[in-house]
Amino acid sequence: TQLLEQSPQFLSIQEGENLTVYCNSSSVFSSLQWYRQEPGEGPVLLVTVVTGGEVKKLKRLTFQFGDARKDSSLHITAAQPGDTGLYLCAGGAGNTPLVFGKGTRLSVIA
Amino acid sequence: DAMVIQNPRYQVTQFGKPVTLSCSQTLNHNVMYWYQQKSSQAPKLLFHYYDKDFNNEADTPDNFQSRRPNTSFCFLDIRSPGLGDAAMYLCATSIGGGKGQPQHFGDGTRLSIL
Repeated sequence: TQLLEQSPQFLSIQEGENLTVYCNSSSVFSSLQWYRQEPGEGPVLLVTVVTGGEVKKLKRLTFQFGDARKDSSLHITAAQPGDTGLYLCAGGAGNTPLVFGKGTRLSVIA
Repeated sequence: DAMVIQNPRYQVTQFGKPVTLSCSQTLNHNVMYWYQQKSSQAPKLLFHYYDKDFNNEADTPDNFQSRRPNTSFCFLDIRSPGLGDAAMYLCATSIGGGKGQPQHFGDGTRLSIL
């Protein structure tokens, strides 16, 4: 069974601070996705990474896929209250549906 | 805009009274998923349709069923809801069901059980 462990589970920071959240597995994934979910809404896809070592940037968000395609990180620079939400990583492999991590709940305080 | 629409957004039902949640999509994706999400937890996959092929997760309770009458619509039927079934139910779609195809989610139906 493929599992994705996310850390930290909860994170509360001040506006303007930087943060990194992690997504780790003992399994290899062919791709890894990050979603953000705001209260009362469905998850929204932020990025998909497919190549080991790949780095993608989305404004203040930087996503990295580990060289061995077993882990990923999301770094947010100068966090803003609008970044508040549940960040979910999800891994894909073979012909099976995505495996979701349990998420990191981020709260950015103004 | 192409999207995934879930109705209703909020549903209240009584313990043991059957309830149906609906999902429609204008993306023309061939795969549709139903997830259950409880507070502060990750979405838990209940089942998915690859075209007309139904795929049930091993630990999905027997009183959860689904119907997909056509490409655009998918329904989640809960035959006898218990208090533990109170949750957010998310519908999602994708092109193809594997190799990490990104999923497009609706905004969910929050189900309450009285």
